[in-house]
Amino acid sequence: KAGVTQTPRYLIKTRGQQVTLSCSPISGHRSVSWYQQTPGQGLQFLFEYFSETQRNKGNFPGRFSGRQFSNSRSEMNVSTLELGDSALYLCASSLDASGINEQFFGPGTRLTVL
Amino acid sequence: AQRVTQPEKLLSVFKGAPVELKCNYSYSGSPELFWYVQYSRQRLQLLLRHISRESIKGFTADLNKGETSFHLKKPFAQEEDSAMYYCALSRNAGNMLTFGGGTRLMVKP
Repeated sequence: KAGVTQTPRYLIKTRGQQVTLSCSPISGHRSVSWYQQTPGQGLQFLFEYFSETQRNKGNFPGRFSGRQFSNSRSEMNVSTLELGDSALYLCASSLDASGINEQFFGPGTRLTVL
Repeated sequence: AQRVTQPEKLLSVFKGAPVELKCNYSYSGSPELFWYVQYSRQRLQLLLRHISRESIKGFTADLNKGETSFHLKKPFAQEEDSAMYYCALSRNAGNMLTFGGGTRLMVKP
């Protein structure tokens, strides 16, 4: 079956703009989590969505937001972009939110903020 | 708050040598520990989790609650083991993962 897909794969934006990233989970998976990966901070949890509800949120400013649709696809939005938001954004999907089932990661979206 | 530490950014060994990638954690509850691996040009993927207590690709990891460690071991490294390895922790329920900084393993021929 198809894996987790993320679009776009690469993005270049300028400071102050906003951006929306998309994640399509594996078919049948209802939980989607987002992570930010940077050389300095490593992999950091952003948020998790399950059944269109945010279950957990990491320690990120309110400029970072997300949502999940009824088909389990998820988007994350970053408003008023800053240089420090340049990162690889990964999403991961899982069958449910129990933590029992394996999480599968997507290839990531590389965001560059100029 | 939970924290995961991988003290080595880079570990270089020769093929056939034993490998141990260190992972220490801090968490007051009962954590679940994982090792994830990222091979060159591939996605991050689960290697093993402590509740499974299984060996994957010859790797094992034992949760030591007394030392709050979850070191990854393999008795004989192979060149194909060269990759980035991340130790991760989740609280006793849910998918939220706290990752360590990662260790790059290089296995030389």
